[in-house]
Amino acid sequence: DGGITQSPKYLFRKEGQNVTLSCEQNLNHDAMYWYRQDPGQGLRLIYYSQIVNDFQKGDIAEGYSVSREKKESFPLTVTSAQKNPTAFYLCASLGDRNTGELFFGEGSRLTVL
Amino acid sequence: AQKVTQAQTEISVVEKEDVTLDCVYETRDTTYYLFWYKQPPSGELVFLIRRNSFDEQNEISGRYSWNFQKSTSSFNFTITASQVVDSAVYFCALRPYNQGGKLIFGQGTELSVKP
Repeated sequence: DGGITQSPKYLFRKEGQNVTLSCEQNLNHDAMYWYRQDPGQGLRLIYYSQIVNDFQKGDIAEGYSVSREKKESFPLTVTSAQKNPTAFYLCASLGDRNTGELFFGEGSRLTVL
Repeated sequence: AQKVTQAQTEISVVEKEDVTLDCVYETRDTTYYLFWYKQPPSGELVFLIRRNSFDEQNEISGRYSWNFQKSTSSFNFTITASQVVDSAVYFCALRPYNQGGKLIFGQGTELSVKP
């Protein structure tokens, strides 16, 4: 089945450690996105990539990094510079550039101990 | 400024009741899209509906209906005869003109339907 796969689903990290969240899609979509979800704040855009080897910062990019070496993959690294990394992270791909319809993965919940 | 406000943080109803989730948006664009997504406990956001700014027709899909009113900048969502399976967090989102997948989300409304 076509879709977006995020892993791991749950992740625990000690302060000061970097962690990478995986996002893979087999929908053949060009553009991919990372959103962060915090309780009561909705989703906020971290980074996005419209094409392979290109990516742009979203509204809350500080403390995060991404790469886009393959069309199918858009991993997100949460670095030790991110001051409040505990959150739910959602990856999405863009199905229709004209309308903005996104397809989402099931998310990764990161907890910093 | 572009913004989406879902003033209802949590709603609790009993099964078979009707419930309306409010969404108010702000944008200066004349061309934009509005969305509703459902987030069940599994975490994935599930697409429910898309509406462009030039189409103010209300839409009905089974027990779901949407009321889009540009005059009040609102895009409200009504569930008729609610069911326990409707329990989820619902997000309203705005896609400004020519912004690809850069959606502006509301804070979400957590709906709890009790048997």
